[in-house]
Amino acid sequence: DAGITQSPRYKITETGRQVTLMCHQTWSHSYMFWYRQDLGHGLRLIYYSAAADITDKGEVPDGYVVSRSKTENFPLTLESATRSQTSVYFCASSEYRAGPYNEQFFGPGTRLTVL
Amino acid sequence: KQEVTQIPAALSVPEGENLVLNCSFTDSAIYNLQWFRQDPGKGLTSLLLIQSSQREQTSGRLNASLDKSSGRSTLYIAASQPGDSATYLCAPLTQGGSEKLVFGKGTKLTVNP
Repeated sequence: DAGITQSPRYKITETGRQVTLMCHQTWSHSYMFWYRQDLGHGLRLIYYSAAADITDKGEVPDGYVVSRSKTENFPLTLESATRSQTSVYFCASSEYRAGPYNEQFFGPGTRLTVL
Repeated sequence: KQEVTQIPAALSVPEGENLVLNCSFTDSAIYNLQWFRQDPGKGLTSLLLIQSSQREQTSGRLNASLDKSSGRSTLYIAASQPGDSATYLCAPLTQGGSEKLVFGKGTKLTVNP
């Protein structure tokens, strides 16, 4: 099963709990990204990673932690979930860092509800 | 800061019609621009990637154009079908440090049989 997979696809949690969203890609792409999608805001970048053990903040990183110990995995952790983190989360990957050939491919998303 | 606008926000057309979706962006220093399709409750599917040096890119009934200097891209869909109903998103890849995609809010297309 090639491509990007995300798990779980749906998650309901309570305020204050820790939640980890998983992302796995089979292309060995160097770059991986986490976005959140909200009505009225569109897609916004949370964190990205250039390679294993290299991560950097995006537009809305507060409240999130990422790690990347293996090229194929890029988990996103909400250390203490808040209602404002209710959203749909998408993982993406690309082969190149930048330049005209950089094309990003997206996973199916995780719908997270924080009660 | 790159800002992306897509007009119209929603569009409803009868089957068979040709249509154009518009995307404008404020910073012309881009590497490329991607057009995506998103079906309800689903992820994003990359439709076309048009490089900054290109003027057009075609895939089947889809044709994307790019005028980087004026900050505009259009997605042309020929002979629309009900299966084309989805939200279409454009995202330029901006140069200059963060090299990230910035998304528009999308155009929701409904093609009526």
